[in-house]
Parts: sequence; structure tokens; C-alpha cells
Amino acid sequence: GAVVSQHPSRVICKSGTSVKIECRSLDFQATTMFWYRQFPKQSLMLMATSNEGSKATYEQGVEKDKFLINHASLTLSTLTVTSAHPEDSSFYICSAKRTGVHHGYTFGSGTRLTVV
Amino acid sequence: ELKVEQNPLFLSMQEGKNYTIYCNYSTTSDRLYWYRQDPGKSLESLFVLLSNGAVKQEGRLMASLDTKARLSTLHITAAVHDLSATYFCAVELEGNTGNQFYFGTGTSLTVIP
Repeated sequence: GAVVSQHPSRVICKSGTSVKIECRSLDFQATTMFWYRQFPKQSLMLMATSNEGSKATYEQGVEKDKFLINHASLTLSTLTVTSAHPEDSSFYICSAKRTGVHHGYTFGSGTRLTVV
Repeated sequence: ELKVEQNPLFLSMQEGKNYTIYCNYSTTSDRLYWYRQDPGKSLESLFVLLSNGAVKQEGRLMASLDTKARLSTLHITAAVHDLSATYFCAVELEGNTGNQFYFGTGTSLTVIP
């Protein structure tokens, strides 16, 4: 149980275009989802926390207008990278908190974004 | 600002040897997680430590938590090549919008035959 599906796993896009990444909890409800970014050989940096039905909370230094997060249902959160640039190329990972389960965090499989 | 630091950042060890990875964090928390990451992959959960003095073991790995010292350790016993990966600790904190994870700097482990 407790599977989080992240899609796509890899995406290549041109500079200036937008890319949407989906994070879906398959067999549980997730009131809270988290989005992380990981540059090569570095740690995971929390970008934002999204709660179902409300606006996401962004970490300091993360542009909310560039990284649009929508958490419209208890099983789906999306991250849209708008007007992508090569410096946005990174590994993006989502995590879902199982509602009502203490310490129940499940990570998605990650999305490798390359902006050319 | 919370800091979560791991030591060492890089570790190369021979098969059969023992070693310990350290995770220090800068604020009060009694919830500490350990994850493994293989190249190009997401995170695999290893341990969840939820109280001071917690110790958990799985195979050749053992994790412990000292909340007073704000220190967690991941001990590797008789390393094998399959343990080569990057290991992260993560501290869970309560925030205004819910709990959040903050990851350590990571330890890249290479086990040499």
C-alpha cells in the first residue's frame, strides 16, 4: 500500500515553455503534499507544501509565480514550471502525507526535467 | 533556519568493514528519518526514529537517535557492494501549515569489493 505515482518520469522541454508534473496518491488520501527539487549530487530542497483546497506555502527563495502548485483533490497535486529555463533543469520529487497516519510519508518516483 | 548536516559527505569503504554516518541537526525534533537513494531514483525509506534513544535495525544497517544531542547515526556493519548508494537523513518539524521535512546534505557511500 501507500503508493505515490509521479508523472512524467522524464521530460525535455524548450526554454520558455511550461511543464506540468503530476503527483498522485494511488491508494490513500493525502491532505498534504510536498515538492522537492534536487540538483545533481546535492540534497533535496523543499520547494513548497501544498494542502488540499488551499494555496501552497512556498519556501523562501522559491518563486511562486514560476512554480505553480495546485492541490485540487485529496489524491492529486500538480507542479507547473512556467517559462522554463535551463537553470530549472533538475530532479523534482513529490511526497504525500497520508491523512490520519502519523509519520506516514511516501515519496514519488521523481521527474527528471531537462530544459534545452 | 534549520540546518541538517551529515558527515561524511563521501565515504569509500571496503567490503566487510564497519562505518558510521552521522546526522546533526540544529533545532529540537524527535522525529528523524533515514532514506536511501540510488542514482537517478527516488527515495527508499529505511528507518523512522520517533523518540530519544530509539534504535532500529534492518540487515546490516542500524539507526539511532539522540534528541538531546540532536544527533542520529546510521551504522553499517560488514558492508557489501549492494549498500553503495546515497543516504539521507531528514528531520521532521511542525510548521504553521503542517509538518515539513528537511533533508541532510547526504552521504555518498561506495563499497569497494
